[in-house]
Amino acid sequence: GDSVTQMEGPVTLSEEAFLTINCTYTATGYPSLFWYVQYPGEGLQLLLKATKADDKGSNKGFEATYRKETTSFHLEKGSVQVSDSAVYFCALTSKTSYDKVIFGPGTSLSVIP
Amino acid sequence: DTAVSQTPKYLVTQMGNDKSIKCEQNLGHDTMYWYKQDSKKFLKIMFSYNNKELIINETVPNRFSPKSPDKAHLNLHINSLELGDSAVYFCASSQGMELWGPRNTIYFGEGSWLTVV
Repeated sequence: GDSVTQMEGPVTLSEEAFLTINCTYTATGYPSLFWYVQYPGEGLQLLLKATKADDKGSNKGFEATYRKETTSFHLEKGSVQVSDSAVYFCALTSKTSYDKVIFGPGTSLSVIP
Repeated sequence: DTAVSQTPKYLVTQMGNDKSIKCEQNLGHDTMYWYKQDSKKFLKIMFSYNNKELIINETVPNRFSPKSPDKAHLNLHINSLELGDSAVYFCASSQGMELWGPRNTIYFGEGSWLTVV
């Protein structure tokens, strides 16, 4: 079945460091790909999405590019802030899992001043 | 105005009790969901309803009973609560069941933190 794999956390970075959180997926066809963010004690927010190969989703300085050839959707940010500390979830929907979101296990990010 | 709202946000209750979590969406969507986030932050769908009809029931114990009185509401009732039910429960909604592709987006509520003691 469809699945999403993310790098294990927790990830700890200093402020202004470069962030990469790796995400790879297994799905039939061309899934839609998402990054969700959960700040401490809060709900899930859609951070960005891409629905076809080579699309780049971006929001709040975060970017991710849909790479069909490597089945990846890595999240990047050039300069993280303390306020970016959160859990980040990679997720997909697909033609076979069209009616549900398949989430990765989440990656916890802590940014220290 | 919150698009998908859940109440209560926090709930602490004893084992064996029965409790409900309510969810309302004001987006005019016809599909609603319950997702569960366990203690390791793993998120998985529990139920989905489309036009008040149950569509997905992902091998959830029958102590969990969703109820959709109308398209804008999907409540989750849990009987005989167990310690393992402690989790964050997220309600969500979308316009139609087809989440794949560029047109549709699922919107999540703020979550309900359930602690069973």
